Amino acid sequence: KNEVEQSPQNLTAQEGEFITINCSYSVGISALHWLQQHPGGGIVSLFMLSSGKKKHGRLIATINIQEKHSSLHITASHPRDSAVYICAGRSYNTDKLIFGTGTRLQVFP
Amino acid sequence: NAGVTQTPKFRVLKTGQSMTLLCAQDMNHEYMYWYRQDPGMGLRLIHYSVGEGTTAKGEVPDGYNVSRLKKQNFLLGLESAAPSQTSVYFCASSYPPPGHRNTGELFFGEGSRLTVL
Repeated sequence: KNEVEQSPQNLTAQEGEFITINCSYSVGISALHWLQQHPGGGIVSLFMLSSGKKKHGRLIATINIQEKHSSLHITASHPRDSAVYICAGRSYNTDKLIFGTGTRLQVFP
Repeated sequence: NAGVTQTPKFRVLKTGQSMTLLCAQDMNHEYMYWYRQDPGMGLRLIHYSVGEGTTAKGEVPDGYNVSRLKKQNFLLGLESAAPSQTSVYFCASSYPPPGHRNTGELFFGEGSRLTVL
């Protein structure tokens, strides 16, 4: 069992739909990152959070420390949101990032 | 703004050949990392550096060496390439290290696709 698990692995949506990607972790973490990997391969950091909720444009990230769970929401999804979304937790013990395997999102017009 | 730049972007090697991947960042970051990305697996840390002149092993260091002679550059070397090292390699940097309160945002390069025949 991976220490950081994402669901679903693959997700398809119609343009305009509300998207939720989940990330659960089984180790103590000091922070959780959400990353976006474009079809061309580049990786961009979306959020880093250790508690509560952060919002940037149509993207919202939340974390529940007690439940060891984080979610990434995309409102009014658009085809340009099609990408792989990766969550990563910074291990409290080792100070290393532990990555999930990613969620592949495709948004169709 | 260049950010994090990796070279080369693509390379094909024969088994046993050597090569070096270069990562350069212009953000004065202290921490730099080399990851590999393989299908069905999360990014895995190969080596990292917490400052100029320092390096440390990650979770999959075997077959790789690194150097951080200058703060802005982090080199990843393969002395004798093996097919198992076929992967996409990502360099990343941050300051201060991820997980700290102030920032810790990771900045990634565009990736280097390496094929070992």
